[in-house]
Amino acid sequence: NAGVTQTPKFRILKIGQSMTLQCTQDMNHNYMYWYRQDPGMGLKLIYYSVGAGITDKGEVPNGYNVSRSTTEDFPLRLELAAPSQTSVYFCASSSGQGIDGYTFGSGTRLTVV
Amino acid sequence: GENVEQHPSTLSVQEGDSAVIKCTYSDSASNYFPWYKQELGKRPQLIIDIRSNVGEKKDQRIAVTLNKTAKHFSLHITETQPEDSAVYFCAASTRTNAGKSTFGDGTTLTVKP
Repeated sequence: NAGVTQTPKFRILKIGQSMTLQCTQDMNHNYMYWYRQDPGMGLKLIYYSVGAGITDKGEVPNGYNVSRSTTEDFPLRLELAAPSQTSVYFCASSSGQGIDGYTFGSGTRLTVV
Repeated sequence: GENVEQHPSTLSVQEGDSAVIKCTYSDSASNYFPWYKQELGKRPQLIIDIRSNVGEKKDQRIAVTLNKTAKHFSLHITETQPEDSAVYFCAASTRTNAGKSTFGDGTTLTVKP
């Protein structure tokens, strides 16, 4: 049972480049989330999904996009990367009961130069 | 939206002492309060949680208390050990809000041997 798997673990992007952060979970969780974590800060919600085909914006969605074509996968797309998007990105999932904790992926450390 | 404040931002204790981290939240509809531990370079991991119908919960050396009237909750770690050194995050979420969690900014706990 792998839990939540994120790829890649590290990436350096040049300003203006694009990339997709992959996230897959094998727990049949309905709810999935993308957070970013800046140094010394808490986690800020970028996008979330309550099921296949349903996504919505979180607190800091600008510059990002998501899709949820299957229950398992929830990729995060960065278009036109900017230095302000340098951060650690965590994908998380929960069962969808609304009162249970998250299982986090191992994170993607992204640097935009 | 929900706002979660966490104090202190850093906490240093001697091994064997107790540590207390406090959080306040703003949305009276929040009904689930998880705590996560994040070791350096690792993913956050759920260590304990409490639901709004409970005032206190304990799991070995860690306990969490909730005061719904005052909208604050706390994490208590007793008999601290060096391996308790990490960043601890509190969070608040609502069943009716897609289970989205709003996180505090974290507390860096250092346990000195």
